[in-house]
Amino acid sequence: NAGVTQTPKFQVLKTGQSMTLQCAQDMNHNSMYWYRQDPGMGLRLIYYSASEGTTDKGEVPNGYNVSRLNKREFSLRLESAAPSQTSVYFCASTLDRGDNEQFFGPGTRLTVL
Amino acid sequence: GESVGLHLPTLSVQEGDNSIINCAYSNSASDYFIWYKQESGKGPQFIIDIRSNMDKRQGQRVTVLLNKTVKHLSLQIAATQPGDSAVYFCAERVFGNEKLTFGTGTRLTIIP
Repeated sequence: NAGVTQTPKFQVLKTGQSMTLQCAQDMNHNSMYWYRQDPGMGLRLIYYSASEGTTDKGEVPNGYNVSRLNKREFSLRLESAAPSQTSVYFCASTLDRGDNEQFFGPGTRLTVL
Repeated sequence: GESVGLHLPTLSVQEGDNSIINCAYSNSASDYFIWYKQESGKGPQFIIDIRSNMDKRQGQRVTVLLNKTVKHLSLQIAATQPGDSAVYFCAERVFGNEKLTFGTGTRLTIIP
């Protein structure tokens, strides 16, 4: 099993550009999450999907949208990137909602100029 | 708002010694406390969790202690190895809530 995969690994955008971060898991997990990690800070939840067909806002949802395409895939979209969105983005999944053991992908390092 | 924080941002330990990583939390309503390990360039990896009705839980080479009186959580790593070098995060969760609230992390460095 590949676990949780994310693409791309690195991305540089100009202010105002849009992009979609892709995430997929092959563990048949029901719940998926998007976090951002900034220097000196812990992970902050952007959006999550408790199950296929549902999405909910996390702690820092502004400027982002998500799509739970199917059970395997959960994408994060930046419609108009801003320098404040420069961060490392992690996708995670759990078998069921409320599980403490989240499985994380390797991350996407995004720089917005 | 509620937050989870750490006492020390960095910790250096001699290889073979025991490591103790501390964490303070402020949300007395949290039901679960969790430790994650993040190696350089990788995503966080679950280590161990503990419920709020427990004081201690042991795993493989790790022990988590919870002191609810002073809202303190610690992770003890026995016989520290070079592979233990990483940033360690504590996190907390309220039962029924999807959200994990992470602390800022402690960097553990192993001295050969």
